[in-house]
Amino acid sequence: GEDVEQSLFLSVREGDSSVINCTYTDSSSTYLYWYKQEPGAGLQLLTYIFSNMDMKQDQRLTVLLNKKDKHLSLRIADTQTGDSAIYFCAEIGGSQGNLIFGKGTKLSVKP
Amino acid sequence: NAGVTQTPKFRVLKTGQSMTLLCAQDMNHEYMYWYRQDPGMGLRLIHYSVGEGTTAKGEVPDGYNVSRLKKQNFLLGLESAAPSQTSVYFCASSYALVSTQYFGPGTRLLVL
Repeated sequence: GEDVEQSLFLSVREGDSSVINCTYTDSSSTYLYWYKQEPGAGLQLLTYIFSNMDMKQDQRLTVLLNKKDKHLSLRIADTQTGDSAIYFCAEIGGSQGNLIFGKGTKLSVKP
Repeated sequence: NAGVTQTPKFRVLKTGQSMTLLCAQDMNHEYMYWYRQDPGMGLRLIHYSVGEGTTAKGEVPDGYNVSRLKKQNFLLGLESAAPSQTSVYFCASSYALVSTQYFGPGTRLLVL
């Protein structure tokens, strides 16, 4: 079945770039998403990429998609303490249209 | 435009009690979803709806029922709560089957 994998933790220093990686299994996924969850809050859509794109840039965020390897990454430039959160990678799963989520990567930003 | 709202925000139940979680969206979306989030498990789909009057089972439907009597509302019911249903419940909605899902703020449920 569909599966989305991501590393659980990432720690960076303020001002550095953060790269969060994700692998997925469903090659038919049309959209791939990155959501951000701050402590005690809901999921905020950060960005998404259509499957026929290799890269998408949105201000400090860069999404790279390697369809051959089924690998998705999110790069946050000039990481700030306000970026500390859990980041979820997700793909659209099968005929139900629901999102298949990874377990989330907890990003910690040290001053 | 409030987006997706959920009530209540937090609830404590005793084992065997029942309750209903309400999700409302004002974006005229056809599709609505209920997920649960557990530590180390990510989010998993409980039930979903592709339109008013329709519901379908997701990945973890046991112990839950849903109803979609109005397009803007999607209710999640627990008939007899169990400690295993302690979780954070998120509702989401989307315009179409393969389109961006927007999430509510979540409901924290503790079953003792």
